[in-house]
Amino acid sequence: AQKITQTQPGMFVQEKEAVTLDCTYDTSDQSYGLFWYKQPSSGEMIFLIYQGSYDEQNATEGRYSLNFQKARKSANLVISASQLGDSAMYFCAMREGPSGSARQLTFGSGTQLTVLP
Amino acid sequence: DTEVTQTPKHLVMGMTNKKSLKCEQHMGHRAMYWYKQKAKKPPELMFVYSYEKLSINESVPSRFSPECPNSSLLNLHLHALQPEDSALYLCASSQEGGPHSKNTFGSGTRLTVV
Repeated sequence: AQKITQTQPGMFVQEKEAVTLDCTYDTSDQSYGLFWYKQPSSGEMIFLIYQGSYDEQNATEGRYSLNFQKARKSANLVISASQLGDSAMYFCAMREGPSGSARQLTFGSGTQLTVLP
Repeated sequence: DTEVTQTPKHLVMGMTNKKSLKCEQHMGHRAMYWYKQKAKKPPELMFVYSYEKLSINESVPSRFSPECPNSSLLNLHLHALQPEDSALYLCASSQEGGPHSKNTFGSGTRLTVV
């Protein structure tokens, strides 16, 4: 079964508007972390935002916020006031397991976001 | 500027060549990773080093050989590669690999095997 599901292969948004990128996850661990990364065409994976499983508040970082609904196992990324430079591939990822162990980051299939002028 | 430095940025090699990819970080991270990424796909984990010891090898063919000379450096030695090995190779590091540690990625090496 997929651990991370991103159901939107491609999304379009008008410049200056907000957009939500969907992510659902599957885990039986109590302790886990959820991450969003942006990958422009240049290839670098840029960390955007993190949400811990025990965090009660939704994470925010500038124009990025994470809509965390633990019971629904969803961690959607909201980008406000989209800019042309936001056009990129966006990956949702999860890391499970206890602290002190090198556990892998599991990625979703990604959403290609295009911001229209 | 990325805090994880990968060299070279681009590499073209023949199937009989031997080459190495290099990765360096100075953030004091104790876990380092190699990923392979094909176009429009998520990164696939290849190897994990934790405290300079190989802790995860995701059934990668032996033509890829990782090496961690010290806590700041990670190499990937390439030998007798196939054209299907052409991809973006990403290096990453994290504090310890626990669930709340984020991976910091380098900008990658675009490898073409001819």
